[in-house]
Amino acid sequence: GENVEQHPSTLSVQEGDSAVIKCTYSDSASNYFPWYKQELGKRPQLIIDIRSNVGEKKDQRIAVTLNKTAKHFSLHITETQPEDSAVYFCAASKPGTASKLTFGTGTRLQVTL
Amino acid sequence: NAGVTQTPKFQVLKTGQSMTLQCAQDMNHNSMYWYRQDPGMGLRLIYYSASEGTTDKGEVPNGYNVSRLNKREFSLRLESAAPSQTSVYFCASSKGWGSFDTEAFFGQGTRLTVV
Repeated sequence: GENVEQHPSTLSVQEGDSAVIKCTYSDSASNYFPWYKQELGKRPQLIIDIRSNVGEKKDQRIAVTLNKTAKHFSLHITETQPEDSAVYFCAASKPGTASKLTFGTGTRLQVTL
Repeated sequence: NAGVTQTPKFQVLKTGQSMTLQCAQDMNHNSMYWYRQDPGMGLRLIYYSASEGTTDKGEVPNGYNVSRLNKREFSLRLESAAPSQTSVYFCASSKGWGSFDTEAFFGQGTRLTVV
């Protein structure tokens, strides 16, 4: 089955700096790659996603890039703010009638003042 | 519009006890899922239901059963709880059924402790 690896497990940046989280996946059939943000004690919430027919997608301070050949995708957060502090999960799924997501193990991002 | 609602939010069980986690969604989604979240391991799929009337095993199904009661509701049952099942359980739903929109929406989670 699909395997998703995520790095780093923890990341500390100063407010205003950029943060990059990287994921690799194993199944070349995967075509949907979402990123979820989970604040402490809360549910995971989608922040951005990308499909395999697109190489990059941006939404304000957040961007995701996908390299299908290398089977890796990355989350980029620019101008980080304290409210960006959370655990971020990447995930991957294959085409089908259900969006069975395989998640990475998460990155705890700490934005310090 | 409540989205995905899980009950209960917290539960403590003794080893060997049984319980059912309830999940309901009001977004008219076809597909529903149960994940468990353990420290350092991300979220792992236990069971899923691609559409009403179907259920399938995910990555970690042992010790669990599910029921897709109708299009809205998807329950997870622990028949004989074990300490290894201590975890946070999340229900999720998505449009599914061939829809290009594959975003999964999560419930608020159930924190289960088995002692």
